[in-house]
Amino acid sequence: GIQVEQSPPDLILQEGANSTLRCNFSDSVNNLQWFHQNPWGQLINLFYIPSGTKQNGRLSATTVATERYSLLYISSSQTTDSGVYFCAVMISGTYKYIFGTGTRLKVLA
Amino acid sequence: ETGVTQTPRHLVMGMTNKKSLKCEQHLGHNAMYWYKQSAKKPLELMFVYSLEERVENNSVPSRFSPECPNSSHLFLHLHTLQPEDSALYLCASSQRLAGSPNEQFFGPGTRLTVL
Repeated sequence: GIQVEQSPPDLILQEGANSTLRCNFSDSVNNLQWFHQNPWGQLINLFYIPSGTKQNGRLSATTVATERYSLLYISSSQTTDSGVYFCAVMISGTYKYIFGTGTRLKVLA
Repeated sequence: ETGVTQTPRHLVMGMTNKKSLKCEQHLGHNAMYWYKQSAKKPLELMFVYSLEERVENNSVPSRFSPECPNSSHLFLHLHTLQPEDSALYLCASSQRLAGSPNEQFFGPGTRLTVL
């Protein structure tokens, strides 16, 4: 089956630092999303990005579908960025999103 | 109300109880999903409904029984659960079942504890 791997699994940053989270997948996809799960469990949509680059404030994401990876950039991190970041991919020709195991981010004040 | 809502937010039940989780989406979407998130595990897809018809039962035990009376509402009926069923149960919806674009939106989840 498809593999969705996220790295790093854990990340600790000082407030104000920048970071890059990576999502590798093993098959061609037609949908890809990045989520932030807050401490209360809510999954918040960050980006819908099956290909290309998008930016939203301090966050940006790039997906290179031909090379089967996506990157999430967080700049000038804040303590409210803490939580778990998931990527989820939908394989072409299917209707199921497969979630990665997540990157747990902690931003220290 | 906007987006996807779930009730209750927290539920504690004994193994012999029967309870139901409710999900409602206010986005005009046609597909709805139940996911289970256990500690230290990736999200697991449980059930998928498209236009009120179940299209996926991902090898879920029969003690979990979904119901989709219309495209806006989704229920998960629970009975004779086991302690290992304790988890966060998340509901999601999307505009369509397959194809693209197909962005999923999640509710806040129900944190279930089975004693």
